[in-house]
Amino acid sequence: QKEVEQDPGPLSVPEGAIVSLNCTYSNSAFQYFMWYRQYSRKGPELLMYTYSSGNKEDGRFTAQVDKSSKYISLFIRDSQPSDSATYLCAMREGTGGFKTIFGAGTRLFVKA
Amino acid sequence: DGGITQSPKYLFRKEGQNVTLSCEQNLNHDAMYWYRQDPGQGLRLIYYSQIVNDFQKGDIAEGYSVSREKKESFPLTVTSAQKNPTAFYLCASSTGLAGGRETQYFGPGTRLLVL
Repeated sequence: QKEVEQDPGPLSVPEGAIVSLNCTYSNSAFQYFMWYRQYSRKGPELLMYTYSSGNKEDGRFTAQVDKSSKYISLFIRDSQPSDSATYLCAMREGTGGFKTIFGAGTRLFVKA
Repeated sequence: DGGITQSPKYLFRKEGQNVTLSCEQNLNHDAMYWYRQDPGQGLRLIYYSQIVNDFQKGDIAEGYSVSREKKESFPLTVTSAQKNPTAFYLCASSTGLAGGRETQYFGPGTRLLVL
């Protein structure tokens, strides 16, 4: 079993839809959770960063962490064609853990 | 502008040839990383360095080598021992606070293809 599981998609939605992207994980020591956006043939860029459980909002993006269920989510409101990209979840342990584990990425298409 | 640069954007390797991918950062970050990205797989760690003149193997180091002679630079050599080198290679850097709030920032990547 992989440490981090992420549905590869592709996920296709109409413009303006609410998008939900998810990852599950098995390591209960993960404390830091990230979402990266990666456009085709580009490097990933950091979108959201959260520590431990809870929600974090930034504009149209909301990151949610449920440590009891080992489940994290990224919500995109009012999705735009420019949101079409691959979204990678990533996570890292707390004390002494520097190694970041990445999900395989979910490919998202937002249709105009 | 602060950031991470990788060159070249595309690289072609012949059988039996060693090739070197460049990674430079001007973010004053201590830690640097090399990942390999294959379709349908997450980023896999090849090598990392938390300080100048020191580096450690990641999960898939076989067939690769690195050096860290300067804080700003972390070149990756793909040797002829790497039998399946075709992939997208990503360099990243971070402040390097182990276990802390450090996050990794990525370069634009190098696509390596075998002729």
